[in-house]
Amino acid sequence: AQSVTQLDSQVPVFEEAPVELRCNYSSSVSVYLFWYVQYPNQGLQLLLKYLSGSTLVKGINGFEAEFNKSQTSFHLRKPSVHISDTAEYFCAVIFFGNEKLTFGTGTRLTIIP
Amino acid sequence: DTEVTQTPKHLVMGMTNKKSLKCEQHMGHRAMYWYKQKAKKPPELMFVYSYEKLSINESVPSRFSPECPNSSLLNLHLHALQPEDSALYLCASSQDRTANTEAFFGQGTRLTVV
Repeated sequence: AQSVTQLDSQVPVFEEAPVELRCNYSSSVSVYLFWYVQYPNQGLQLLLKYLSGSTLVKGINGFEAEFNKSQTSFHLRKPSVHISDTAEYFCAVIFFGNEKLTFGTGTRLTIIP
Repeated sequence: DTEVTQTPKHLVMGMTNKKSLKCEQHMGHRAMYWYKQKAKKPPELMFVYSYEKLSINESVPSRFSPECPNSSLLNLHLHALQPEDSALYLCASSQDRTANTEAFFGQGTRLTVV
């Protein structure tokens, strides 16, 4: 079965501390991977994407993610968070042959001053 | 211009009303999407248009009626909605429907059905 899982529904982090938001997927076919951010009362904004090539992907706002095929993961990281990073983060996957974005359930990142 | 513009931003409608949500993009994208998002949930796909033709309807009730008048515009016509239809409605577009193209999202329309 094809699925995407975000294990943590909420992640509180102190300001200037590092953060990792976890995303795992299940698939027997190739995948394309995305991280979106949603600020309160806003739409979704693409942070970064993995389509092919280097498994370490850098995105906007200092975020990066690493595609690990053997562990079927695409975890999002930032070395030092700011108050402005408070938002909902969605991992999304396109399974080859499906062409539809499948979203994880989201992780709410809360930055503690 | 990498924007997807949705209007209105907020909408309150009664269960007997007819209203429309509008979405516009000028990126030359040929695929456009409607999503519904309930509070604290991920977006759920409703409709996909590809080259102005409806290609996916995710079993959405007929009280939601999509329309794609041209390659830049996407409408969602609403009629006889229920309170449980209250949600954030998101429009998105992508270059086309191939799997390796990213989707750009609008800011959404916050719909309240009373």
